[in-house]
Amino acid sequence: EAQVTQNPRYLITVTGKKLTVTCSQNMNHEYMSWYRQDPGLGLRQIYYSMNVEVTDKGDVPEGYKVSRKEKRNFPLILESPSPNQTSLYFCASSLEPYNEQFFGPGTRLTVL
Amino acid sequence: QKEVEQNSGPLSVPEGAIASLNCTYSDRGSQSFFWYRQYSGKSPELIMFIYSNGDKEDGRFTAQLNKASQYVSLLIRDSQPSDSATYLCAVTPGGFKTIFGAGTRLFVKA
Repeated sequence: EAQVTQNPRYLITVTGKKLTVTCSQNMNHEYMSWYRQDPGLGLRQIYYSMNVEVTDKGDVPEGYKVSRKEKRNFPLILESPSPNQTSLYFCASSLEPYNEQFFGPGTRLTVL
Repeated sequence: QKEVEQNSGPLSVPEGAIASLNCTYSDRGSQSFFWYRQYSGKSPELIMFIYSNGDKEDGRFTAQLNKASQYVSLLIRDSQPSDSATYLCAVTPGGFKTIFGAGTRLFVKA
């Protein structure tokens, strides 16, 4: 089954404790993105990747890191999480940047 | 000014009516336009995409694009209670970013 998977689905952590949210797709897509969704603000793009080793900032990259060492995986790293990073996070992938994006199930992160 | 603007709603329509959802965008170089539907607690899923001026129809859904007015809309004919969701407009404004609007909540009353 074609899909985007994310782990964990739910995470409660404390300020400053490094964490990684994994994202994997099995559709051989070139383009992958991370978004955060907050009430009233919609989806905001954090980082995106055009291909292996090619990443760039979206609109809200501060406090986040990404890497793309393999085509299928695009992990999101929070080196020192803060409470303002409490949000719902979605990973998405598409064949190309101007095509339909397929979304993962979401990761609900709470930073205390 | 936000790059992609949508009326947050809620938009309430009776079952069987036409629901009209609107979206405006600020970047004239925008190339691709998408409508996603998101049920509460779920991921967004694509409803329609449109690249050229005019109308594009798919079943009960019609997307309309007017690049001169920087306006894209989604019409849902014969609205059903199962259409109740948040509808997200997304635009690729050139480069490789994707910008989403904040979404419009739609309620279809049975």
